[in-house]
Amino acid sequence: DMKVTQMPRYLIKRMGENVLLECGQDMSHETMYWYRQDPGLGLQLIYISYDVDSNSEGDIPKGYRVSRKKREHFSLILDSAKTNQTSVYFCASSSGTGGYAEQFFGPGTRLTVL
Amino acid sequence: GDSVTQTEGQVTVSESKSLIINCTYSTTSIAYPNLFWYVRYPGEGLQLLLKVITAGQKGSSRGFEATYNKETTSFHLQKASVQESDSAVYYCALGDPPNYNVLYFGSGTKLTVEP
Repeated sequence: DMKVTQMPRYLIKRMGENVLLECGQDMSHETMYWYRQDPGLGLQLIYISYDVDSNSEGDIPKGYRVSRKKREHFSLILDSAKTNQTSVYFCASSSGTGGYAEQFFGPGTRLTVL
Repeated sequence: GDSVTQTEGQVTVSESKSLIINCTYSTTSIAYPNLFWYVRYPGEGLQLLLKVITAGQKGSSRGFEATYNKETTSFHLQKASVQESDSAVYYCALGDPPNYNVLYFGSGTKLTVEP
């Protein structure tokens, strides 16, 4: 069963706390992504990972870092969360073959930073 | 840079009626972009509905259609007769070759189909 999972689904944190969002996929996809979506805006790419320990910044990387130590697992870390990082975060994966490969998405994590 | 615009945040349609969700795009690339529609059902992740990589072509899936119009830079999503099960959020997206891993998404249109 092709699946992207995200944990937790909902999270409330206080400003200044550290946040760890986790994403897993069971398709052995090389490429994984983290996006955020704010009301009225499209999904914005935070980071992209082309494989283990091969990560690149997306359009809005400031305030975030990522970790990918296993192909099936990709973490998003917020060190000292800020209120403007309140958002819905989506993880995705794709096979990374030539041309556009379909991206498979997780259900999202709704993060609230108070 | 690249961008995608969906003007309607929410659309409500009665079951069996027709639907159109508007999407326009902008790109600074000299190459024609690839265009996509993704759909997100309640509680699930986005999933690819259809894609068109050639200007002038039409894509279709599950009764939905979208035509890539490079003159009007549009990629509207249409369905002749909607069902309650089509209630979801629909996202238009653009990808610019050769950076095949990066997609630019519209803000989404929430479709509610009333019985």
